[in-house]
Amino acid sequence: EVQLVESGGGLVQPGGSLRLSCAASGFTFSDRYMDWVRQAPGKGLEWVGRVRSKAYSYTTEYAASVKGRFTVSRDDSKTSLFLQMSSLKTEDSAIYYCTITEGISPHVYWGQGILVTVSS
Amino acid sequence: DIQMTQSPSSLSASVGDRVTITCRASQDISTSLAWFQQKPGKAPKSLIYAATTLESGVPSKFSGSGSGTDFTLTIISLQPEDFATYYCQQYKYYPFIFGPGTKVDLK
Repeated sequence: EVQLVESGGGLVQPGGSLRLSCAASGFTFSDRYMDWVRQAPGKGLEWVGRVRSKAYSYTTEYAASVKGRFTVSRDDSKTSLFLQMSSLKTEDSAIYYCTITEGISPHVYWGQGILVTVSS
Repeated sequence: DIQMTQSPSSLSASVGDRVTITCRASQDISTSLAWFQQKPGKAPKSLIYAATTLESGVPSKFSGSGSGTDFTLTIISLQPEDFATYYCQQYKYYPFIFGPGTKVDLK
């Protein structure tokens, strides 16, 4: 069974940093592209970023709203995905989901999400 | 960036109804379009990818159509568990963009 479990969320002040983790199991992690998607309270879904697999040199893509502030990375040995967030703004407050790509399906499986609140 | 629109933004329907949601891209995305269902307090669920392909385990009451810039999600014989918010997403070009969502509630 595929499982994605996010952790590391919480309350952080504007300008601060936070690192989210996503522990994955139940599939061949190293083969898959992995993404982060977020959802501000009461709002729609926003794609945040992607890290490709080792076969594609772990290259990354980002939404313009987070580029230069957020970094998506992975550790295949620990089947884990990370989101390093810095220079956080109040508008980064959201539930953050990690997702798996399978073939040409961009977000086949989703974690339960983790809440990040940026507030003074 | 590609812009995604959905219509309607919300709709009220009855059990047993047929529902159609439209998604439009600001430029040609071929068939790189996915649909997601989200219920309150839950993570989204993937329903359809490549515009028309159902994810494994998704009932055939859901169907997708379209290519280029215009797409539709159709749900036939609406059931209580289908009342939710539906999002489309283009994944042809970075950044991937979701539509604003369509909330389907009970009339």
